[in-house]
Amino acid sequence: NAGVTQTPKFQVLKTGQSMTLQCAQDMNHNSMYWYRQDPGMGLRLIYYSASEGTTDKGEVPNGYNVSRLNKREFSLRLESAAPSQTSVYFCASSEGSGLRYGYTFGSGTRLTVV
Amino acid sequence: QQQVKQSPQSLIVQKGGIPIINCAYENTAFDYFPWYQQFPGKGPALLIAIRPDVSEKKEGRFTISFNKSAKQFSLHIMDSQPGDSATYFCAASIRRVVGSARQLTFGSGTQLTVLP
Repeated sequence: NAGVTQTPKFQVLKTGQSMTLQCAQDMNHNSMYWYRQDPGMGLRLIYYSASEGTTDKGEVPNGYNVSRLNKREFSLRLESAAPSQTSVYFCASSEGSGLRYGYTFGSGTRLTVV
Repeated sequence: QQQVKQSPQSLIVQKGGIPIINCAYENTAFDYFPWYQQFPGKGPALLIAIRPDVSEKKEGRFTISFNKSAKQFSLHIMDSQPGDSATYFCAASIRRVVGSARQLTFGSGTQLTVLP
């Protein structure tokens, strides 16, 4: 049971470079999310997708774009990376609203922008 | 603006102790309050959750106490073990549109260490 798979696990970027963080889930979940985790700030929602074909902004969307490629995959793109985007990024998915079983998180991507 | 405030930032207890982590929220529209547990190098995992129509929920050694009038809720870990050492996050959410995904708002986290 893979659950939520994120790639890559680690990445170092130079300021201004672009990259895409990949996320795939094999639980047939409708909803998917991208969070960033910073020390002392918990997890903050970047974007989410309630279903295939829909995406919505979360709390901190600036500097990011997302694509819900199909029901399984939800990618996060940084077009021009900045040092402020150094963080650990988590993808999550849920069955519907996530009330019954909560969110299933991936193991994260640690991104450093220098 | 942090809508869910969590304390303490870190907590150290002896094995068998009862660590208590507290959270306070501002938005009275929140209607679902989960706690997540995160081990180093892993993503958070759902531990226990409560709705505001009950004042307490127990699952094994974990208990949530909920005070709706004070807009506060807390996690108690009974008979804590070294294996409980992890970071704990409280969270809160509302359903903005029926049938849509919920947005979870997380607290800042508490790093718990249980000494053997």
